[in-house]
Amino acid sequence: QVQLQESGPGLVKPSETLSLTCTVSGVSVDSHFWSWIRQSPGRGLEWIGYIFYSGSTTSNPSLESRITISEDSSRNQISLKLTSVTAADTAVYYCARVSLSSASYLDKWGPGTLVTVSS
Amino acid sequence: DIQMTQSPSSLSGVVGDRVTITCRASENIVTYLNWYRLKPGKAPELLIYEASRLQSGVPSTFSASGSGTDFTLTITSLQPDDFATYYCQQSSSIPYTFGQGTRLDLK
Repeated sequence: QVQLQESGPGLVKPSETLSLTCTVSGVSVDSHFWSWIRQSPGRGLEWIGYIFYSGSTTSNPSLESRITISEDSSRNQISLKLTSVTAADTAVYYCARVSLSSASYLDKWGPGTLVTVSS
Repeated sequence: DIQMTQSPSSLSGVVGDRVTITCRASENIVTYLNWYRLKPGKAPELLIYEASRLQSGVPSTFSASGSGTDFTLTITSLQPDDFATYYCQQSSSIPYTFGQGTRLDLK
């Protein structure tokens, strides 16, 4: 059974870097695409980006200059780094598996982790 | 970016009701449209992919249709587990975008 679990600090100071990890069980991370999504009261659900083929990434242009998505196959984890955070980055962050058949969809999600940006 | 607009923003019902949620894309997305259900503190669930394909394990009380710019999600008989927030999402072009959500409450 595929399971995903996000983890990371719940509080980050403005201008610092937000770092999150998604631990995957039940499937190897290098056999699928993986995505990060966030949900905030003001912006709703926002797709952040995805990683595929052991390191290639595609990101939301609105965040591209600040984000890094990476994969650690030895730990079966996906990571997200978001630099220079502001209060607008306060959100619940989700990781999800991207299923690719004839279309792309997010078929398995983690429960999410709340990150608050505040001094 | 493709804008996704859902309606209504909220609705209420009782167990057994039939409800329909609509989603409109700002441009043609063919059938690259997915539906998700979100509940506080729980992992979001994929309900429908490619506009009308029921995800494995999702009850047959859920159905969906549409193509191009207009899509609908129907729950034919509300169950207690269905009171949640529903989102559509387009996967036609990057960046993938979501509707603003439809909150379904118990009347």
